[in-house]
Amino acid sequence: TAGITQAPTSQILAAGRSMTLRCTQDMRHNAMYWYRQDLGLGLRLIHYSNTAGTTGKGEVPDGYSVSRANTDDFPLTLASAVPSQTSVYFCASSDSSRGTEAFFGQGTRLTVV
Amino acid sequence: DAKTTQPPSMDCAEGRAANLPCNHSTISGNEYVYWYRQIHSQGPQYIIHGLKNNETNEMASLIITEDRKSSTLILPHATLRDTAVYYCIVRVLGSARQLTFGSGTQLTVLP
Repeated sequence: TAGITQAPTSQILAAGRSMTLRCTQDMRHNAMYWYRQDLGLGLRLIHYSNTAGTTGKGEVPDGYSVSRANTDDFPLTLASAVPSQTSVYFCASSDSSRGTEAFFGQGTRLTVV
Repeated sequence: DAKTTQPPSMDCAEGRAANLPCNHSTISGNEYVYWYRQIHSQGPQYIIHGLKNNETNEMASLIITEDRKSSTLILPHATLRDTAVYYCIVRVLGSARQLTFGSGTQLTVLP
């Protein structure tokens, strides 16, 4: 089934450790996004990529880095996790040239202790 | 992208139509209105989008006022599974800009 896949589904991470959240899509969408959602709040954009090889900062980029080596993959890295990064992380993709709807992954629930 | 204003919460009886309003008074002529929803703990799900004409699909109808400063998402026969947070977003078609989510409307469908 085509779509967008995130891994892992959930993770408990010790503060100070690094971690990469994986995101893969098979729809050949040019644009990809990472959002975080804290309890009771809306989604906030962390980083985005309009096309392979380019990335941009969103609303809350500090403490996170991304790369876009190819069209399909858009990993999000926490270099040194802190408890305030405890959140649910959603990856999304869209064909921005056509303005199509964005497809979201099922989310990664991250707890930093 | 233009900002949107939505009521924080609404209730609807099961089987009745749910009408969710959205104000976007600063919308530009080339900006589309998009609706997404997020059912608890899941990723947001696209519902519908439109420019100025009313739109309908298998999930919902979108009514955009003639001046395009507001719109209404209509779920014709709400079910308990429609309980979710509904987000109204405006953005330029073809823009590389990211989706910007506000706080949305929590719709609760009551039995």
